Amino acid sequence: DTAVSQTPKYLVTQMGNDKSIKCEQNLGHDTMYWYKQDSKKFLKIMFSYNNKELIINETVPNRFSPKSPDKAHLNLHINSLELGDSAVYFCASSPKITDTQYFGPGTRLTVL
Amino acid sequence: AQSVTQLGSHVSVSEGALVLLRCNYSSSVPPYLFWYVQYPNQGLQLLLKYTSAATLVKGINGFEAEFKKSETSFHLTKPSAHMSDAAEYFCAVTRSNFGNEKLTFGTGTRLTIIP
Repeated sequence: DTAVSQTPKYLVTQMGNDKSIKCEQNLGHDTMYWYKQDSKKFLKIMFSYNNKELIINETVPNRFSPKSPDKAHLNLHINSLELGDSAVYFCASSPKITDTQYFGPGTRLTVL
Repeated sequence: AQSVTQLGSHVSVSEGALVLLRCNYSSSVPPYLFWYVQYPNQGLQLLLKYTSAATLVKGINGFEAEFKKSETSFHLTKPSAHMSDAAEYFCAVTRSNFGNEKLTFGTGTRLTIIP
């Protein structure tokens, strides 16, 4: 199926740990994104890559580091996890930044 | 910078009644406007978008929205609500003709359908 996929779907971990979330799209899009959705459903962009180049980097703690090994993948690594990092993280992709974005199913991160 | 305001974090309508979800935008240049829907425990999917063509935009599942520049609005409507419409709805804006402009989302409106 053509889609945006994320792994894992659920991630439960202790404070201070390091974790990664993986994202892959097989839609042939040039642009990929990471969003954070908090408990009140507020959705905020974190990063955007276009053709493996970082083009948007919002005010995000440098504990968060995205990596795009190729155009179809955008991973998110989080160091020294904190309670406030608990949220749902969505990956998305689009042909270009003003186009429709296609979202993955989300990764629910719970930090204990 | 651009922004959107969604009036009403919760809206309840009876099945078969009109759905009206409000969105007002702020943008210094012509905007591109989007409505996305999020069903429980799922990612967002596009309902419809305005990209400076027709001001009345039709989307999936019987939804439509009208771009009104004079009112800086892009309200979402559906003539007759269905139980399956219960979800979270997000209005979003980006600026047209800007290379690396991000998509800014509103705070969302939870739509509840009363049987």
